[in-house]
Amino acid sequence: ETGVTQTPRHLVMGMTNKKSLKCEQHLGHNAMYWYKQSAKKPLELMFVYSLEERVENNSVPSRFSPECPNSSHLFLHLHTLQPEDSALYLCASSQAAVNYGYTFGSGTRLTVV
Amino acid sequence: GESVGLHLPTLSVQEGDNSIINCAYSNSASDYFIWYKQESGKGPQFIIDIRSNMDKRQGQRVTVLLNKTVKHLSLQIAATQPGDSAVYFCAEKRGYNTDKLIFGTGTRLQVFP
Repeated sequence: ETGVTQTPRHLVMGMTNKKSLKCEQHLGHNAMYWYKQSAKKPLELMFVYSLEERVENNSVPSRFSPECPNSSHLFLHLHTLQPEDSALYLCASSQAAVNYGYTFGSGTRLTVV
Repeated sequence: GESVGLHLPTLSVQEGDNSIINCAYSNSASDYFIWYKQESGKGPQFIIDIRSNMDKRQGQRVTVLLNKTVKHLSLQIAATQPGDSAVYFCAEKRGYNTDKLIFGTGTRLQVFP
């Protein structure tokens, strides 16, 4: 167990559905991240939250909406996705400005049909 | 543009041999580097890190070498085992005023008997 838990592990959704991905970290970290991992591409940073405040949004389409209600939880709300959004979505956490290594969750494998 | 890149997408080695995975980076301000291992169905896991004021760091069966002159990073795995089969990513932190990690595309290491 890495200390970062993501649910669900797998998700199949239609293009008109609304779903949410959940991430929880048990490490006492103060920064959390959403990454998208597609085949043969580098990990793409989507959102960064530091001390529960969104500090970065890397030109992500509005059909992806993050939420960070507290320092331990991070959500990614999905709405009206496209098939090209199918990917592995990874959550990570770190102790910003102290330890730069990220701890990743196992990811949610998302398939949009 | 600036990027973190890997020379080889796939590396095949025989069990017991040493493996060397390479990574090039282009940002001279990068001050911290990490190697991650990602096994099938899992998120990336921290292997070893190195700061820019060092040129070598050793862990258990792994060694990271940093050559700042040519902006090159390598991961050496001694006595490669089947359990080492995975995708390996390098990541860099670009300077003291950011915690964001930039990831490379990844190299797949295949270990055969």
